[in-house]
Formats: sequence, structure tokens, C-alpha cells
Amino acid sequence: DIQMTQSPSSLSASVGDRVTITCRASQGISNYLAWYRQKPGKAPNLLIYAASTLQSGVPSRFSGSGSGTDFTLTISGLQPEDAATYYCQKYNSAPLTFGQGTRLEIK
Amino acid sequence: QVQLVESGGGVVQPGRSLRLSCAASGFTFSSYAMHWVRQAPGKGLEWVAVLSYDGSTEYCADSVKGRFTISRDNSKSTLYLQMNSLRAEDTAVYYCARPPPGYYYMDVWGKGTTVTVSS
Repeated sequence: DIQMTQSPSSLSASVGDRVTITCRASQGISNYLAWYRQKPGKAPNLLIYAASTLQSGVPSRFSGSGSGTDFTLTISGLQPEDAATYYCQKYNSAPLTFGQGTRLEIK
Repeated sequence: QVQLVESGGGVVQPGRSLRLSCAASGFTFSSYAMHWVRQAPGKGLEWVAVLSYDGSTEYCADSVKGRFTISRDNSKSTLYLQMNSLRAEDTAVYYCARPPPGYYYMDVWGKGTTVTVSS
């Protein structure tokens, strides 16, 4: 099975900062990669699919890139409401594995 | 609006069974595959199972294979997860989630139902 590894596991940044989260697949998955944000005590919500396509209604400060095995999620102009845990997920085939998550703290 | 509402969670002893339900509304349920995803306390997301729109094709995680069964009743717009031989490690919040047609990422999520396996 393909493993998904995110880095870093946690990070701290200030409002207005630009942050980047990385997700690496153990085998190539083309662009079948989604990113989710999960605020504490809430269900996840979809941010990006197809590695770089912004889900409708998601602020444009979120962007994604990558293909094959290496992917990034970038948040430009961090906002207080971005304090959350972020997950990548491969969806080319089952099992539909998530990364272990990246916890983002706002200073 | 599009909505998914899970129910059926609770406290259950190890080795016992539980059935979760996910009631869908606001969209044509019979046209969409559906997922179950879980999250153990303080842990990350774990995909559990997916079922095709017509119930003909299912995939599940190795961690639940042979113990959990995903099913659906399109006439009731409801997804189910039958969980047998429950273990302490099955303790989690269970979410149902909808992917868009033809894909397996999840664009709509329920709020989850909590399952606690404990003696």
C-alpha cells in the first residue's frame, strides 16, 4: 500500500505569514491528492483536490502544487482561523490513505 | 442544503456489535458513492470504507476487513456501517463523507458519531 507522509508534524506561525506543508507519497499517484483542514472539534473540510484545484468557497490564500510523489499546500497571508490540523489524502485507488496530519498554531 | 447526519454511536463492550447510520439529504443519494472515515481520540484521520452508488462495489481498510460491513439503502437515502467484533482500537469518531461523482476525495462531511469500545 502507498504511504503518505506529511512534514512538518507541527508548526507555529504568525498572522500574515506564508506557510508550506509538504506531503510525500511512497509511490507515484499522479495528481490524485486532496488537502483538508480540520478545526478543533469539527469535521474536516475540503480545501484542494487534484493537487492544485481550489474547492469552491475556499479562500484564495490556499494553494496546492505537485504531482507524482511530492506535493505542497501553501497558505499565503495566514489568518487566525487557519489554526487547525491539515491532512493530505491520496485518492487514486483504495486504500484511500491520509497523511498523519500537520498541526498549525497561530502565534 | 446538502447534509449528512450520522447516528448510532455509543459505548459498547469489546467483542460486541454496533451499527452506524448516515442519513443523507439535499442531494440525489443514489447517484453518489459514500465513505466512512474515523478518527481515534487525539489521532489523525483514517479511511474506513467506501461503497459505490449502487452498492455493487466496496473497498475497506485492512484494519476493519472481515469485521466491518458498509451498506446502503438508496430508498431511504441512508448509509450504514455494521461493526462486529469491536476492539478498543475501534474507539473513534466516525464520519460519513460524500465524494463527487467519479472521484474518491470527500467534498461533504457529516459531523460524526462517537463510538467507544470499553468494558
